[in-house]
Amino acid sequence: GESVGLHLPTLSVQEGDNSIINCAYSNSASDYFIWYKQESGKGPQFIIDIRSNMDKRQGQRVTVLLNKTVKHLSLQIAATQPGDSAVYFCAENKGAQKLVFGQGTRLTINP
Amino acid sequence: NAGVTQTPKFQVLKTGQSMTLQCAQDMNHEYMSWYRQDPGMGLRLIHYSVGAGITDQGEVPNGYNVSRSTTEDFPLRLLSAAPSQTSVYFCASSYRGGRIQETQYFGPGTRLLVL
Repeated sequence: GESVGLHLPTLSVQEGDNSIINCAYSNSASDYFIWYKQESGKGPQFIIDIRSNMDKRQGQRVTVLLNKTVKHLSLQIAATQPGDSAVYFCAENKGAQKLVFGQGTRLTINP
Repeated sequence: NAGVTQTPKFQVLKTGQSMTLQCAQDMNHEYMSWYRQDPGMGLRLIHYSVGAGITDQGEVPNGYNVSRSTTEDFPLRLLSAAPSQTSVYFCASSYRGGRIQETQYFGPGTRLLVL
């Protein structure tokens, strides 16, 4: 069954605010997670990944936090822009292209 | 490089018909996989391959067959289409040794409607 799940199916934020998208997982042995962005009509696009030996990883305007104690990870997008509108998925990478996706959160940016 | 290509982009089938979804990559990637995405859901793994001649089942393999006779191609066959197979199908490939963000590519998807 599904081993990762997102908390909210939709999220609306004001342009310029920070966005936080949450995800929970069930297997304490899970050790590699990836966040994907999917725009309408397109395949998933890699955003950032994190392994279980890290608590935090930063990219350009994005930060992923991993809390292994409560089996929770989050994606933070700073200064949200209209181009950030998309569906965001967390996924567990089980190796050899075996990805287990959560259901996704649709992020809407209000002007 | 063309990346990962999928054909067709759209397809309508009647229940019981068979068809093959094509996936090809020109990056010499060892790993290839097929996912389906239902409305409002994340992608679910159907089948995957770690190299030519090697395939294995994913999370939802029933009703689908695959083969990997070459490194470049990984076709997905629906033997007898059912309405439950209405979905968007994505093919992905990656290089075994690289970091996933540098080597994983998804195709544009095939939208399938089974009546």
